[in-house]
Amino acid sequence: DAKTTQPPSMDCAEGRAANLPCNHSTISGNEYVYWYRQIHSQGPQYIIHGLKNNETNEMASLIITEDRKSSTLILPHATLRDTAVYYCIVSDPRNSGNTPLVFGKGTRLSVIA
Amino acid sequence: SQTIHQWPATLVQPVGSPLSLECTVEGTSNPNLYWYRQAAGRGLQLLFYSVGIGQISSEVPQNLSASRPQDRQFILSSKKLLLSDSGFYLCAWSVRNPGAQPQHFGDGTRLSIL
Repeated sequence: DAKTTQPPSMDCAEGRAANLPCNHSTISGNEYVYWYRQIHSQGPQYIIHGLKNNETNEMASLIITEDRKSSTLILPHATLRDTAVYYCIVSDPRNSGNTPLVFGKGTRLSVIA
Repeated sequence: SQTIHQWPATLVQPVGSPLSLECTVEGTSNPNLYWYRQAAGRGLQLLFYSVGIGQISSEVPQNLSASRPQDRQFILSSKKLLLSDSGFYLCAWSVRNPGAQPQHFGDGTRLSIL
């Protein structure tokens, strides 16, 4: 079972920031938070990951609360191409090789023109 | 840069027929390799993972098998397909070095069993 809870769907206006929340209240100290997205009929695309500090890359920003029990993925300027299902996953990288990514149902983000 | 290739993109097979799906990774060495399946409207299920040539671990008992004949080649097979084998099959790779390395997915094979 997925260790994360996400809203099933969200809408965002094109050009605005999309803020996708994720709860992971049972996260352990060695588990990282990973975000992926899946556009219809394609494989999941890695977006970003973090342990406890906020992270930013060319795609998005990841904000992790101080207690690490929740996080928010921020797409700063959403475009129509960002419409996808977004998955928040927690995983312990120490199990390198035998660590499956447990994908829950994710959040279906619809970017609206 | 690293790339992952899966083929075919779509496949329609009759019940009881054999299966062979291939996945190759370029631009890296000694990757961890994974096979996932996604049933319609559901999350991803890990089927197999491999940390090296000839080393295969199975997560779910089924009529599927996997092999890794070369470092960057991962094959998913079946001798006799079942209706329940329909789904979206995804191959993924990650760097083997310790650390929080993400998994990177191919574009998948959509398998329909008739």
